[in-house]
Amino acid sequence: GEDVEQSLFLSVREGDSSVINCTYTDSSSTYLYWYKQEPGAGLQLLTYIFSNMDMKQDQRLTVLLNKKDKHLSLRIADTQTGDSAIYFCAESFRAAGTALIFGKGTTLSVSS
Amino acid sequence: DVKVTQSSRYLVKRTGEKVFLECVQDMDHENMFWYRQDPGLGLRLIYFSYDVKMKEKGDIPEGYSVSREKKERFSLILESASTNQTSMYLCASSLSTSGYANTGELFFGEGSRLTVL
Repeated sequence: GEDVEQSLFLSVREGDSSVINCTYTDSSSTYLYWYKQEPGAGLQLLTYIFSNMDMKQDQRLTVLLNKKDKHLSLRIADTQTGDSAIYFCAESFRAAGTALIFGKGTTLSVSS
Repeated sequence: DVKVTQSSRYLVKRTGEKVFLECVQDMDHENMFWYRQDPGLGLRLIYFSYDVKMKEKGDIPEGYSVSREKKERFSLILESASTNQTSMYLCASSLSTSGYANTGELFFGEGSRLTVL
């Protein structure tokens, strides 16, 4: 069945780059997403990438998609303490507008 | 801005009690979802609904039921709460159309943390 895998923890120093990796299994996914969850809050969409793209950049965020290997990554440049959160990778299950399959989440810890 | 509101942020219930978790969205979204979030397990889909009075089971529907009488409201019901249902429950909504402009983004509420004693 569909599955999304990501490492559980990442620790970086303030100012460094963070790279969070994710692998997924459903090759028919239309969109892939990165969500951010701050302590005590719900999830917020950070960015997404359409499956026919290889890369998407949005300010400090860079998303890379390797469809052949079903690998997705999120790079955060100049990581700040405010970036400390749980980051979830997700893929669309069927078509746009239906349930997403989430990974277990990567806890990013940023030390000053 | 889309707003998804969950009625209770924190609840404490006793084993065997009936529990209602309410969720309301204000953007006329067709799809609504209930997930539970547990440490090390991520988000798991309990139920979702793609229209009023319609529902579909997710990955872990056992012990839960749902109600969607109005488009904006999706309720999660625990008929007889058990300690293994202690968790964070997240409601989400999204547009149904699969047109080019729809990215399939889910909009989440702040979550309801349920403790069953």
